Amino acid sequence: ETGVTQTPRHLVMGMTNKKSLKCEQHLGHNAMYWYKQSAKKPLELMFVYNFKEQTENNSVPSRFSPECPNSSHLFLHLHTLQPEDSALYLCASSQEPLAGGWVRNEQFFGPGTRLTVL
Amino acid sequence: DAKTTQPPSMDCAEGRAANLPCNHSTISGNEYVYWYRQIHSQGPQYIIHGLKNNETNEMASLIITEDRKSSTLILPHATLRDTAVYYCIVGSGGSNYKLTFGKGTLLTVNP
Repeated sequence: ETGVTQTPRHLVMGMTNKKSLKCEQHLGHNAMYWYKQSAKKPLELMFVYNFKEQTENNSVPSRFSPECPNSSHLFLHLHTLQPEDSALYLCASSQEPLAGGWVRNEQFFGPGTRLTVL
Repeated sequence: DAKTTQPPSMDCAEGRAANLPCNHSTISGNEYVYWYRQIHSQGPQYIIHGLKNNETNEMASLIITEDRKSSTLILPHATLRDTAVYYCIVGSGGSNYKLTFGKGTLLTVNP
C-alpha cells in the first residue's frame, strides 16, 4: 500500500449504530487530519493530530471521537449520528516541521469514506 | 490566513490552456500561494505552490503578480481528466494544518 488509505470506502449506518472509520498513511508523516465534506460545501477541518497528540478540534460534536494510536494510524469513532452527518470524510497526512524548521503545506489525502446516516 | 476569491466555474476546450485566476489581496509577506485540485469523489491533490516567483512543475505553472495580490494557475494542455474543482489557498510554510479550503473553481474540460 502506498500513500493514504481509508476504510471502509462506503458506510451506511443507522442513528443508533456505532462504527469506526480507519485511516492509515504509509508516507512516514507525523501529522494526520480528519476533514468533513458535505454536499456543495467546502472541506471542513475536524481534527488534527501532530506526533500523536491532538492539537486541534474545530468544535466538533462529541458524537465524533478521534483516536490516534501512532503516527501512521488514525480512527474516527462514530456513535448516535444524525442524518445531517452524512458526508464524505477525508483523512490526510503531512510532515510537520521540527522546531524552527519549515516545510511546504502539502497534505496528502486519502480517497475518503462516503458515510450515509439513515 | 489571507482569504482567496475564485470564480465558481470555468470551461476549457480539451488541448487548450486552462488559466484559473485567484485573488488574494490581503496576503501577508510570509504567506505562500498553494493550489490543490479535487476530482469528483476523490481526496484533494496538491498541484503547486509559490511565494513570489513564477513556478512550474510537471502538472502546471503558477504565475504570481508582482504585488502578490493575485495569481493564475495554468494547465498548459488541458485534458478531460483535468476536470475538477481547483482550490487556491494561502498559508504560511511553518504550520501545515493552516490550510483553509474555500469553494474553489469547478473547471470543466470539454471535448
